[in-house]
Amino acid sequence: NAGVTQTPKFRVLKTGQSMTLLCAQDMNHEYMYWYRQDPGMGLRLIHYSVGEGTTAKGEVPDGYNVSRLKKQNFLLGLESAAPSQTSVYFCASSDTYGYTFGSGTRLTVV
Amino acid sequence: RKEVEQDPGPFNVPEGATVAFNCTYSNSASQSFFWYRQDCRKEPKLLMSVYSSGNEDGRFTAQLNRASQYISLLIRDSKLSDSATYLCVVTSGNTPLVFGKGTRLSVIA
Repeated sequence: NAGVTQTPKFRVLKTGQSMTLLCAQDMNHEYMYWYRQDPGMGLRLIHYSVGEGTTAKGEVPDGYNVSRLKKQNFLLGLESAAPSQTSVYFCASSDTYGYTFGSGTRLTVV
Repeated sequence: RKEVEQDPGPFNVPEGATVAFNCTYSNSASQSFFWYRQDCRKEPKLLMSVYSSGNEDGRFTAQLNRASQYISLLIRDSKLSDSATYLCVVTSGNTPLVFGKGTRLSVIA
């Protein structure tokens, strides 16, 4: 029982590079989320999805795009990485019983 | 104003101490309330839900005051293993979880 799996776990990018973070869940959850966590800032919502084919903006969406083409996957894209996007990224999925978080992706943009 | 505000940390307490964390939320439409625990470099994990009637889980007691929009967490007989960051979390129905910044607890032998 994998739950929520995030890929990759670590990544270093150069400013201006692009990348995609993958979140996969095997619990058949409708809702999925991407949060970022910076030191002293708590978790802040980037984008979320209430079902396959849908996405919505969260608190800090600028500089990110997302896609939910399949129910089990939620992709977070950075088109042109900036040092301000250095952070730990957590994906989560939820149903009526609660949230399950992935173990995080540590991204450094140099 | 931040939607969820918590006590600033860190709290450094000796083993066996009782420690209390406070949290306030600004959205009066908030319906569900939680305390999450986050260990260093790990994902947050649900510690307990918070109900208006108050609820207890072993050494942990959570309280909610809807009129004051205030949530608390009390930890009795602190253990070294309680050292972590405690996150106050609220949501309004089906909206995503909103997290406070967290309060760090260090329990010292």
